[in-house]
Amino acid sequence: QVQLVQSGAELRTPGSSVKVSCQVSGGVVGTFSFSWVRQAPGQGLEWMGGLTPIFGVSHYAEKFRGRLTITADKSTHTTYMELTDLTSEDTAFYFCARGNWFEFWGQGSLVTVSS
Amino acid sequence: EIVLTQSPVTLSVSPGERATLSCGASQSVSTNLAWYQQKPGQAPRLLIYGASTRPTDIPARFSASGSGTEFTLTISSLQSDDFGLYYCHQYKEWPQTFGQGTKVEMK
Repeated sequence: QVQLVQSGAELRTPGSSVKVSCQVSGGVVGTFSFSWVRQAPGQGLEWMGGLTPIFGVSHYAEKFRGRLTITADKSTHTTYMELTDLTSEDTAFYFCARGNWFEFWGQGSLVTVSS
Repeated sequence: EIVLTQSPVTLSVSPGERATLSCGASQSVSTNLAWYQQKPGQAPRLLIYGASTRPTDIPARFSASGSGTEFTLTISSLQSDDFGLYYCHQYKEWPQTFGQGTKVEMK
């Protein structure tokens, strides 16, 4: 059974960066695309960006372009999401998800941005 | 980017009743559309992909249809476990996008 296991909660100050990991068990990074989706408190789902490791190609939502980087390490079956220049508006749960449609999701990682 | 608009924002339904949720796309996504259910504190759960295909673990009371720009998710007889948030998602092109969600609440 495929499982996506994300890193734990993070507390950051405004202007800093955060890097969240998502390790795949029961599957292989490289065969499928991966996306990162976030959800601010009480808000809906927001697609941030995605990566197709086998092609090494990443795509980002316009609002995150320039401060979001999604990468993958095929040797450890892990995908990463790094977001820079954090503000309080980046406080949210961050989810990784596998595939074109998202059959498998990570459990979510809470990132809190506060001074 | 493709904008998905869901309606209604909130749907009040009694257990056993039928619920119909809509998702409209600003341009054609063909059948590259998925539906998810989300409960508080949980990751979303895939209900439908390919606009109308149900994964094997999803109950048959969930059905969906549509193509192009108009899509519908139907829950034939609502059960207590079905209350929550529902989102549509297009994966026709990058950037992928979600609808703003429909809350299905108990009447």
